[in-house]
Amino acid sequence: EGQLLESGGGLVQPGGSLRLSCAASGFSFSTYPMTWVRRAPGQGLVWVSRISGSGSTADYADTVKGRFTISRDNSQNTLYLQMNSLRVEDTAIYHCARENTASWGSNWFDPWGQGTLVTVSS
Amino acid sequence: DIQMTQSPSSLSASVGDRVTITCRASQSISRYLNWYQHKPGEAPNLLIYTASNLKSGVPSRFSGSGSGTDFTLTISSLQPEDFATYYCQHSYITRYIFGQGTKLEIK
Repeated sequence: EGQLLESGGGLVQPGGSLRLSCAASGFSFSTYPMTWVRRAPGQGLVWVSRISGSGSTADYADTVKGRFTISRDNSQNTLYLQMNSLRVEDTAIYHCARENTASWGSNWFDPWGQGTLVTVSS
Repeated sequence: DIQMTQSPSSLSASVGDRVTITCRASQSISRYLNWYQHKPGEAPNLLIYTASNLKSGVPSRFSGSGSGTDFTLTISSLQPEDFATYYCQHSYITRYIFGQGTKLEIK
């Protein structure tokens, strides 16, 4: 089924940068689009960004567009999220997830990683 | 963006109860609707994909239905391990949106 393990979270000051990683195992990583989802304290799940299997196309939520960059290294089975110009409101647990696509076009996220905590505070 | 509205936002129920959570989309999303369970400190877990397809290994007490704008997740007989937060999520376009979540608590 596959496993995902995030890393790279931590405490950073407003305006700072952080790069998250998501190590994938147990499946053919390059054949799947991947996604980042976050959950701020006391809030619900929010989709952040997705990238195609080849890495050629990416999309972002409006709240992070222009500040975050998603990328992947298919030779290393690793997904990344480069986060710049961080704001207090970016504080959250960040989960990576594999995007599965059915022949009829429907997509869903499975599996997910446990997440890595990003805290933006002065 | 397509907005997803879940109700209720929280729910108290007892072991053995039948529970229904609803999710409404701001426009038709056909059957492109998924349901997840999330417990604190754990990875979210897919329950239902494409409105009514039960993920392999998920207990059959979970079921999903609906199409267009209105969807439901039903748990036929609550078990202690089911107390968690549940989210719907559309996949109609790739700017995915989750519902705000329904926290299911023990009465």
